[in-house]
Amino acid sequence: EAQVTQNPRYLITVTGKKLTVTCSQNMNHEYMSWYRQDPGLGLRQIYYSMNVEVTDKGDVPEGYKVSRKEKRNFPLILESPSPNQTSLYFCASTISNPSYNEQFFGPGTRLTVL
Amino acid sequence: TQLLEQSPQFLSIQEGENLTVYCNSSSVFSSLQWYRQEPGEGPVLLVTVVTGGEVKKLKRLTFQFGDARKDSSLHITAAQPGDTGLYLCAGEASNTGKLIFGQGTTLQVKP
Repeated sequence: EAQVTQNPRYLITVTGKKLTVTCSQNMNHEYMSWYRQDPGLGLRQIYYSMNVEVTDKGDVPEGYKVSRKEKRNFPLILESPSPNQTSLYFCASTISNPSYNEQFFGPGTRLTVL
Repeated sequence: TQLLEQSPQFLSIQEGENLTVYCNSSSVFSSLQWYRQEPGEGPVLLVTVVTGGEVKKLKRLTFQFGDARKDSSLHITAAQPGDTGLYLCAGEASNTGKLIFGQGTTLQVKP
């Protein structure tokens, strides 16, 4: 089954304790993204990757890092989490069609930073 | 910075009523996508419109892309409780793969 998986699904942590949210896709897509979703703000892109070893900042990259060492995995790293990073996070994998690009989203990771 | 204004943000209606959700921008998009999101899940793509003026239908849902490709609407006819959820529009910038999302419309359809 084609899917995007994220782990963990729920995480409560404290300020300053480094954490990693994993993301994996089995569709051999080149383009992957991370978004955060906050009430009234929709989804905002944090980072994206167009291929292995190619990553770039999205609209809200501050406080986050990513890596893309292999095509299927795109982890999101918070080196020193702060309470304003409490949010719902989604990983997405994109397939290119002739006229548009279609994104497949993971199930989400709800992060609370105390 | 490209922005998509989605309205209304909240909508509570009775079963059987019709409704329309709007997405507006001053920017041109190469495509406009509509997603539906259930609690505890990621957004799921409903439809993509690409051509200015394009209309697509998905059962009781009708999607339209504005002639200038700056705006879009989602119309639901005879809403059902199963339509309850968060609806998101997203514009793609110049076929880059980058999506700009609207704020979302939370729809509640009461039996």
